[in-house]
Amino acid sequence: AQTVTQSQPEMSVQEAETVTLSCTYDTSESDYYLFWYKQPPSRQMILVIRQEAYKQQNATENRFSVNFQKAAKSFSLKISDSQLGDAAMYFCAYYSGAGSYQLTFGKGTKLSVIP
Amino acid sequence: GAVVSQHPSWVICKSGTSVKIECRSLDFQATTMFWYRQFPKQSLMLMATSNEGSKATYEQGVEKDKFLINHASLTLSTLTVTSAHPEDSSFYICSARVPGLASTDTQYFGPGTRLTVL
Repeated sequence: AQTVTQSQPEMSVQEAETVTLSCTYDTSESDYYLFWYKQPPSRQMILVIRQEAYKQQNATENRFSVNFQKAAKSFSLKISDSQLGDAAMYFCAYYSGAGSYQLTFGKGTKLSVIP
Repeated sequence: GAVVSQHPSWVICKSGTSVKIECRSLDFQATTMFWYRQFPKQSLMLMATSNEGSKATYEQGVEKDKFLINHASLTLSTLTVTSAHPEDSSFYICSARVPGLASTDTQYFGPGTRLTVL
């Protein structure tokens, strides 16, 4: 079974600064996808970014980018120019390409943004 | 992006009663929907996978007779908590899979339902 580990329960960042959230995963599969979801205080889960394992190029979405290290099974999220609205729980998630369609979530990292 | 709604957003009920939560995909057809439970300050725990027109697949430890799931159409899945008790109080979230190739497969989440059982 796949596991996803987020080793940082809480992180904080100054507004306008950059922060990196860590995620590692364990799998024996070669075809999979990785996601970062954001859950603000409203508790609505929002997709931040996705990465296909077969792609070497790191995904980027505006101020959000990932550092995908396949051999190390590491998938970190970098948030640049942090904004107050970035304060939320961030969940790393693994998605198998084998057809189960299920997401496996990490325990989450609570990000605080300091004005 | 795809929109998923949940109704109600918040419900309080008495112990022993049943509560139904609806999950709808508003602008796409979802062959597969998922139901999660989230305790305060914890991650999402998958309860069951719901496929349109077939029985739901429950995760280990989830009582299928207590948490009844029906996926009668491509845009609607319902979760019924039967004979609810205070320990069933939680935040319930559904998600819907946007069908397609695995390379574009993505789940979109509803806003969640907070259930409080008195």
